[in-house]
Order: sequence, then structure tokens, then C-alpha cells
Amino acid sequence: GAGVSQSPRYKVTKRGQDVALRCDPISGHVSLYWYRQALGQGPEFLTYFNYEAQQDKSGLPNDRFSAERPEGSISTLTIQRTEQRDSAMYRCASSSQQGARNTEAFFGQGTRLTVV
Amino acid sequence: GNSVTQMEGPVTLSEEAFLTINCTYTATGYPSLFWYVQYPGEGLQLLLKATKADDKGSNKGFEATYRKETTSFHLEKGSVQVSDSAVYFCALNSGGSNYKLTFGKGTLLTVNP
Repeated sequence: GAGVSQSPRYKVTKRGQDVALRCDPISGHVSLYWYRQALGQGPEFLTYFNYEAQQDKSGLPNDRFSAERPEGSISTLTIQRTEQRDSAMYRCASSSQQGARNTEAFFGQGTRLTVV
Repeated sequence: GNSVTQMEGPVTLSEEAFLTINCTYTATGYPSLFWYVQYPGEGLQLLLKATKADDKGSNKGFEATYRKETTSFHLEKGSVQVSDSAVYFCALNSGGSNYKLTFGKGTLLTVNP
């Protein structure tokens, strides 16, 4: 596609429900990243994929959070048993090279998650 | 660990004013430094970058110079336009996890006609 596409753009869910956030990276991009951005803060790293392999999940806050990229393209970030503190903007990015230091990461518009 | 501190906002300027947004960092190794911009309703976009000391990144009239001695990467523009109104994020990557960006909190810039 022309850019990184995330869906849904907005998600309101009740506490305790599971949510799945989708990211469709730029076609052909090898690397995919998830970040979380709380209100008034900068994005914080969650996890990183090269192709279908999850290379780093050190930023996932606890075991309610998981991510997958089974065919090396579309990725899903799943949050189980959501809590109000999970409310944030979730941002996905992709890049053309495997974690190269100077490679530009292209970001999607994000999914605004609100847990009520 | 890595960290980025940038100027608290919001910043409000009149059109054609001079802009500076300060950014300082702490990092292991030799980081690459970035400025990202988020226009209203859009995703983050890379504005400019610098990969080594004394490099100057520039784009769309914005400039920032990588100053290792002061661990700074201040963003400047000589004459801002209304269309520059956005949130600006300073960021870096460094060390073994060089794919991982560390961001500042962002600075909201509003330019009035």
C-alpha cells in the first residue's frame, strides 16, 4: 500500500475485554515495530519483527500483551483482559531494512484505544 | 539507558518568526538522532536526521546539528509558516538495539497568521 495502515483508528472497549489492533505495513517492508504513546508523552517501544520473527518483545508491559506477524506482512497486537491503564495511542511502523541504524521508520496514523 | 529531553510546549509563534526547539539526549554508544513531526490527523513523519557528530540534518527549511560535546540536537527554522503547526518529537537510536527509537515527549508548535 501507499503507507502504513492501522485499523481501527479508534477503539472503545470495556474493561476486561480483549482487543486486537491491526497493522498493514508498506508493501515489501521487512521490519515492523509497535509503539505505545500515552497522552502527553512520546511513543515507547513495545516490540519488533523481522519478517515473521519477533526479534524483540522487551517493551511489552506484561503477559496480557502479545503480537504476531505470521506471514511476515500484516501484524496484530492483542491485549487481553484490558485495563483502563491500557488506554493510549498504539502506533505501528515499518522499515525496508532489518533494523539498520539509519533506516527510516514509516509510521501509521495509530489506533486510539480507550478502555472504559 | 537512553533518554531524550526536549523543550516543554506549547510554543506559539507568529508567522515568519524564528523557531528553536531544544533537545538534549543521554545515550550509550554513538546514537543517530532524529526529528519526527506529526501534523494534525496524520502519523509521525521523519523530518530530518543526523548520524554522527557535527552532521547537520535539514529538510523543508528546518535544520538541526548533532552536537556531541553538548549532547544536543536543537531544531531550528528561520521563518515559520502556519503550515508548520504540528507536534515535533526528538528521537534517537543507539547501541545494540539500534532499531529501537527513544522519543522525547513532543513539543506542540502553533503558528498564527
